[in-house]
Amino acid sequence: AQSVSQHNHHVILSEAASLELGCNYSYGGTVNLFWYVQYPGQHLQLLLKYFSGDPLVKGIKGFEAEFIKSKFSFNLRKPSVQWSDTAEYFCAVNASGTYKYIFGTGTRLKVLA
Amino acid sequence: ETGVTQTPRHLVMGMTNKKSLKCEQHLGHNAMYWYKQSAKKPLELMFVYSLEERVENNSVPSRFSPECPNSSHLFLHLHTLQPEDSALYLCASSQEVGIYEQYFGPGTRLTVT
Repeated sequence: AQSVSQHNHHVILSEAASLELGCNYSYGGTVNLFWYVQYPGQHLQLLLKYFSGDPLVKGIKGFEAEFIKSKFSFNLRKPSVQWSDTAEYFCAVNASGTYKYIFGTGTRLKVLA
Repeated sequence: ETGVTQTPRHLVMGMTNKKSLKCEQHLGHNAMYWYKQSAKKPLELMFVYSLEERVENNSVPSRFSPECPNSSHLFLHLHTLQPEDSALYLCASSQEVGIYEQYFGPGTRLTVT
């Protein structure tokens, strides 16, 4: 069965620290990949997505993610986090040509001012 | 009003009750989704509608019955629920299924007593 793993459930960082959140998926075919974020009290919203082309994609607020097909990974990065990045981050995978969307369990990030 | 709205925001119901959750999107999208979010579990896709036709039913028990009367509205009819059905139910929409960003509503917090 398809699955998405986010190994870090809780991450605490100080401002200006670098961030990397892991996302691994299990599916052998072509995939579309997403990172969503949920700020406190707000709706889930898209950070960035990958569906083809350059495996390094850039999203809003300085976030980027790299698709490494051989590792089935789509890790999220930010070189310097801010207090306002405190949120829950979700990785999601859509198997191309299907209606199935699989989400990870999410990673709660807390950034200390 | 723009975006995806859901009503009610909170619902408490007994196991013998019948209730409905409503979702409305004002984005002109053709695809709509129902998700279930339980504590410490990944977001679970329940149903997908594309152009008012149900295209995915992710092994959801029949006590959950979706309805999509038009491309702007999506309902989830509930009857004879179990306490383990207590969760946050999220509605989302996207331009089409597949590579397109999903826009999420605020969710309905359901408690089954």
